[in-house]
Amino acid sequence: DAKTTQPNSMESNEEEPVHLPCNHSTISGTDYIHWYRQLPSQGPEYVIHGLTSNVNNRMASLAIAEDRKSSTLILHRATLRDAAVYYCILANSGGSNYKLTFGKGTLLTVNP
Amino acid sequence: DTGVSQNPRHKITKRGQNVTFRCDPISEHNRLYWYRQTLGQGPEFLTYFQNEAQLEKSRLLSDRFSAERPKGSFSTLEIQRTEQGDSAMYLCASSRSGGEAETQYFGPGTRLLVL
Repeated sequence: DAKTTQPNSMESNEEEPVHLPCNHSTISGTDYIHWYRQLPSQGPEYVIHGLTSNVNNRMASLAIAEDRKSSTLILHRATLRDAAVYYCILANSGGSNYKLTFGKGTLLTVNP
Repeated sequence: DTGVSQNPRHKITKRGQNVTFRCDPISEHNRLYWYRQTLGQGPEFLTYFQNEAQLEKSRLLSDRFSAERPKGSFSTLEIQRTEQGDSAMYLCASSRSGGEAETQYFGPGTRLLVL
């Protein structure tokens, strides 16, 4: 399984933008970059995914490097409810099993 | 709410007892996954169903573990002769196949404590 590398933890202030980095130097051409987050005592929650182009949705933006070896999840204005562990995951549809391989993720702390 | 549900949410049992967890996926989803998460770690894949067929099992799934998905709807995960090392959060996720990228929707998990 392709691996990702994320910082163990990051800190932000409320209402400021947050940039969460992820390195995936061994990404293959068919791997999608997914971000999930896990709030305390809850199951993971889908945030966003992309292949090559930058993506935006109501939760966040995903900026993908031109060589696809790294990506950044952008929360435009962090709120206290964004405090969670954020996981960057590579997955592809080769074969039928789209299992997600989670690392330890980045623990985001949001200060009021 | 039509999200993924899991029952029970918490289970405390004594070593050696059998336990069974249930997952009800989103109704139109044909794929169902089980993951296990221990403290401080990300979830780890256990097993995967497409409709009623169990198509892959992780090496983590010892022969004390069995999962079923009769009729391709809800799923159960049973652990026989529980051990303290089985203490973890058991997560279920469901998805719909057909696209290039797949979004999985997770339930709240069942937290198991084996004494």
